[in-house]
Amino acid sequence: GESVGLHLPTLSVQEGDNSIINCAYSNSASDYFIWYKQESGKGPQFIIDIRSNMDKRQGQRVTVLLNKTVKHLSLQIAATQPGDSAVYFCAEINDQGAQKLVFGQGTRLTINP
Amino acid sequence: DTGVSQNPRHKITKRGQNVTFRCDPISEHNRLYWYRQTLGQGPEFLTYFQNEAQLEKSRLLSDRFSAERPKGSFSTLEIQRTEQGDSAMYLCASSLASGLNFYEQYFGPGTRLTVT
Repeated sequence: GESVGLHLPTLSVQEGDNSIINCAYSNSASDYFIWYKQESGKGPQFIIDIRSNMDKRQGQRVTVLLNKTVKHLSLQIAATQPGDSAVYFCAEINDQGAQKLVFGQGTRLTINP
Repeated sequence: DTGVSQNPRHKITKRGQNVTFRCDPISEHNRLYWYRQTLGQGPEFLTYFQNEAQLEKSRLLSDRFSAERPKGSFSTLEIQRTEQGDSAMYLCASSLASGLNFYEQYFGPGTRLTVT
């Protein structure tokens, strides 16, 4: 079936280092991809999105890369800070009507001081 | 705070009881989504509304689940005859969707349900 999955369930990086979180998706028809951040006890928070006709998009300290050839999505966070510690989910939308999100399992990012 | 709000934040109930959750979306948002999230997993789509119309329901939404959005504003999600497998975080999200453009879904803090 359709799924959005992640390569690693946990990732630890030193404060100030860059981090890369990866995601593999299986539905080549997906139109839109989003990265969400979820802190403990809170709902997911939008970080950055990318349309399927793009391969890179940058935000503040974050960059999303999309490789449609291998169905791979990554989130790069530059100069990580303690506040970046959270679970990160990639999600896809493959129906432009309902626009329901299909989430992966998540990666827990821990920033070490 | 003008974000999405959900009540209650936590609910503990005994198996077989009925529970109802409420979601208040961002006021001008026409779309409202319900998702369910179990520990360590990403949220899973349950259902969504466009204004007051419920347009799609996931196969995860058994006949014990019902959702309403009577006036196109707040929404309620009711679970009848709760089972231990219903224990999860129930998340609500809203967006201002129009046409085929993609619009960010804003999530509420969720209602954590524990069925004992």
